[in-house]
Amino acid sequence: NAGVTQTPKFQVLKTGQSMTLQCAQDMNHEYMSWYRQDPGMGLRLIHYSVGAGITDQGEVPNGYNVSRSTTEDFPLRLLSAAPSQTSVYFCASSPLPTGLSSPLHFGNGTRLTVT
Amino acid sequence: DQQVKQNSPSLSVQEGRISILNCDYTNSMFDYFLWYKKYPAEGPTFLISISSIKDKNEDGRFTVFLNKSAKHLSLHIVPSQPGDSAVYFCAASGPGTLVFGKGTRLSVIA
Repeated sequence: NAGVTQTPKFQVLKTGQSMTLQCAQDMNHEYMSWYRQDPGMGLRLIHYSVGAGITDQGEVPNGYNVSRSTTEDFPLRLLSAAPSQTSVYFCASSPLPTGLSSPLHFGNGTRLTVT
Repeated sequence: DQQVKQNSPSLSVQEGRISILNCDYTNSMFDYFLWYKKYPAEGPTFLISISSIKDKNEDGRFTVFLNKSAKHLSLHIVPSQPGDSAVYFCAASGPGTLVFGKGTRLSVIA
């Protein structure tokens, strides 16, 4: 049982570069989301999706794009990396939208450094 | 403004004693509360939750208490074990929203 798989585990980018953080889940969950965790901060929601073809913005969406072409995959794209995007990124999934007695299943994170 | 506050960044407890982690919230629309545990280099894992219609939920060594009038919840771990050393996040859920606290680092000393 793989659960939620994130790749890569670590990434270093130069300012202005673009990249895609991959996230895949094998639990057939409808809800998927991306969070970032910064020192001294809680987890902050970047984007989320309640099903294939449907995405929406979270609390801190600027500088990021997402798409959901399949139930399994929910990639996060950084369009032009900035040092402020240095963070640990977590992908999470849930069988139901949050708030309906459905805890999130998290991946192990991608640690991104932008220089 | 923080809707979910964990005012203690860290807590140290001796093995075998009780650990009490606290969480305060401001939004009265929150109706479901969760605790997650996070080890270094891993993602958070769900620990225990409570609905706003209850005031207590117990699962083995873990108990969550909810005081709606005070907008306060707490996680009790009894007895604490060295493997409980981790960062604990409180989260509150309401219509269309889920908000995490900043976390409390628990260290259980053998």
